[in-house]
Amino acid sequence: RKEVEQDPGPFNVPEGATVAFNCTYSNSASQSFFWYRQDCRKEPKLLMSVYSSGNEDGRFTAQLNRASQYISLLIRDSKLSDSATYLCVVSNTGNQFYFGTGTSLTVIP
Amino acid sequence: DVKVTQSSRYLVKRTGEKVFLECVQDMDHENMFWYRQDPGLGLRLIYFSYDVKMKEKGDIPEGYSVSREKKERFSLILESASTNQTSMYLCASSFLDRATEAFFGQGTRLTVV
Repeated sequence: RKEVEQDPGPFNVPEGATVAFNCTYSNSASQSFFWYRQDCRKEPKLLMSVYSSGNEDGRFTAQLNRASQYISLLIRDSKLSDSATYLCVVSNTGNQFYFGTGTSLTVIP
Repeated sequence: DVKVTQSSRYLVKRTGEKVFLECVQDMDHENMFWYRQDPGLGLRLIYFSYDVKMKEKGDIPEGYSVSREKKERFSLILESASTNQTSMYLCASSFLDRATEAFFGQGTRLTVV
């Protein structure tokens, strides 16, 4: 079983739409959770960390459900510049990171 | 600004060549990682290191070795390059035992012909 599972998409949404990505992880002892963004042919970059209480950064909201071992990312009012691949990442004590295969998003004018 | 720097963005090598990929970080991170990324497979861990001269195998270490002689530098070595090692290679670093993120280098796109 994979450590982290994501729906690969692709998600094609119109500008202004709200889109949600989900991710599940298998290790209940996981400590840290992140969403990364990766543009085509570029390296992954941290979008936001995910905290148990949920957190918001502008149009982006991340949620963590430890009981269900589930992480989500919500993007409101999608922009063309949001088009990218979004990676769900889980870490144990910080010594290893486990990556989902990524969810592809295209925002259409 | 934090930085992880990989020595090359693009490399073309011949089958059988020995290939060195270098990675340097300036954040005093203990952990350093080498991944390869292929379409549909995501990031797969090749090797990681949590201290100088320490190394641990990841999920796909076959055909690769690593070297960490200094804290800031982590090298990936392809002993005898093969066409199935054509891939995007990503180096990353992070603090040990802290709930903080990993930082990535810009990636090296290696083509073995």
